[in-house]
Amino acid sequence: DTAVSQTPKYLVTQMGNDKSIKCEQNLGHDTMYWYKQDSKKFLKIMFSYNNKELIINETVPNRFSPKSPDKAHLNLHINSLELGDSAVYFCASSQYLNTEAFFGQGTRLTVV
Amino acid sequence: AQKVTQAQTEISVVEKEDVTLDCVYETRDTTYYLFWYKQPPSGELVFLIRRNSFDEQNEISGRYSWNFQKSTSSFNFTITASQVVDSAVYRCALNSNSGYALNFGKGTSLLVTP
Repeated sequence: DTAVSQTPKYLVTQMGNDKSIKCEQNLGHDTMYWYKQDSKKFLKIMFSYNNKELIINETVPNRFSPKSPDKAHLNLHINSLELGDSAVYFCASSQYLNTEAFFGQGTRLTVV
Repeated sequence: AQKVTQAQTEISVVEKEDVTLDCVYETRDTTYYLFWYKQPPSGELVFLIRRNSFDEQNEISGRYSWNFQKSTSSFNFTITASQVVDSAVYRCALNSNSGYALNFGKGTSLLVTP
């Protein structure tokens, strides 16, 4: 079984649309994250969600919102998509905030 | 503020050569954690190692070894007798008790040719 799984793997959509990426972990971890890997391959934290506390990277536009229906899931909603949102988005989880994170396979989002 | 610097953008070696990937970090916290990840061409991120700031013992795992030196704020990664399958982007990361997620360096792209 995949430890951290995210769907879809590829997402192509038009500017202005709203989309969601789903993430599930079966590791029993307390903390989940969303990272963005841009065209230059830099990997940057977007959100951290630990015990129902959401920590947001202040550089993330408020068009992005994480939603956690339960401890095993952290979905990413994106409103009014822009060309610059095109990137690979990685979901991850860890036992605690300072332990190693395990990553999903990534979702390649292309906005056209 | 936390910062991870991987000054080597790209490294190319011939198979069986040894290669060292550098990682220099900055943090004001006294307790922190260092990590290495491998990102092969397929794109997934594979966890390799975690090191706590209070444990400076070096680590060896097969052909991989890590050298942690607090005096120089470095956490370097050496691959011995490199293989083509080692070709990937290697990413160093830092977290601390005041942080909320892994803070990654820009990565070093390693190409191992036959």
